[in-house]
Amino acid sequence: EAQLLESGGGLVQPGGSLRLSCAASGFSFSSCAMSWVRQSAGKGLEWISAISGGGGSAFYADSVKGRFTISRDNSNNTLYLQMSNLRAEDTAVYYCAKDPNYYGSGYFDVWGRGTTVTVSS
Amino acid sequence: SSELTQDPAVSVALGQTVTITCQGDTLRSYYASWYQQKPGQAPILILYSKNNRPSGIPDRFSGSRLGNTASLTITGAQAEDEADYYCKSRDNSGNYVIFGGGTKLTVL
Repeated sequence: EAQLLESGGGLVQPGGSLRLSCAASGFSFSSCAMSWVRQSAGKGLEWISAISGGGGSAFYADSVKGRFTISRDNSNNTLYLQMSNLRAEDTAVYYCAKDPNYYGSGYFDVWGRGTTVTVSS
Repeated sequence: SSELTQDPAVSVALGQTVTITCQGDTLRSYYASWYQQKPGQAPILILYSKNNRPSGIPDRFSGSRLGNTASLTITGAQAEDEADYYCKSRDNSGNYVIFGGGTKLTVL
């Protein structure tokens, strides 16, 4: 069974940095594009970044471009999100999500449980 | 920029049929996928591509597309279907993911 487990969330001050991890198991990690999706309290889902199976292509939402970096370690089946210059509006639950195709097929068939990031002084 | 528009809230009587819609120009080119999210839980995929359901998703959930509108239909809504539903697709470039704002379904 495919599973994703996020970690690394926590409380950080505005302007600070944080790195999220997503450990994958139960599927061929390197064959699948991966994304990060966040959700602020009481709000909808917001896609923020995606990366192809090999890591050669990465995309970002305008809201995080230049501040967040997505990466992956296919040898350890782990997805990362390096977040810097964090703002209060980045406070959210962050989910990693699996796309069944290498470059992305348009749907997320497996989601993690999420990790909470709070940006506050 | 590309957008997907959903009604914020919809209600349905127990056992009746309800349709949740998602509108956006990119839906003329790309299929929508649909996600169900219950309070305190992660979203789960319930429909993708033309009208495909992952294993374990009841067949009372079905999808369709007409023009710039994708629809999720629940035939015979159950109490456990009360949740938020999100559509998802791609932007005009095909490289970026966009979500609809979500529809809160209440089963009366």
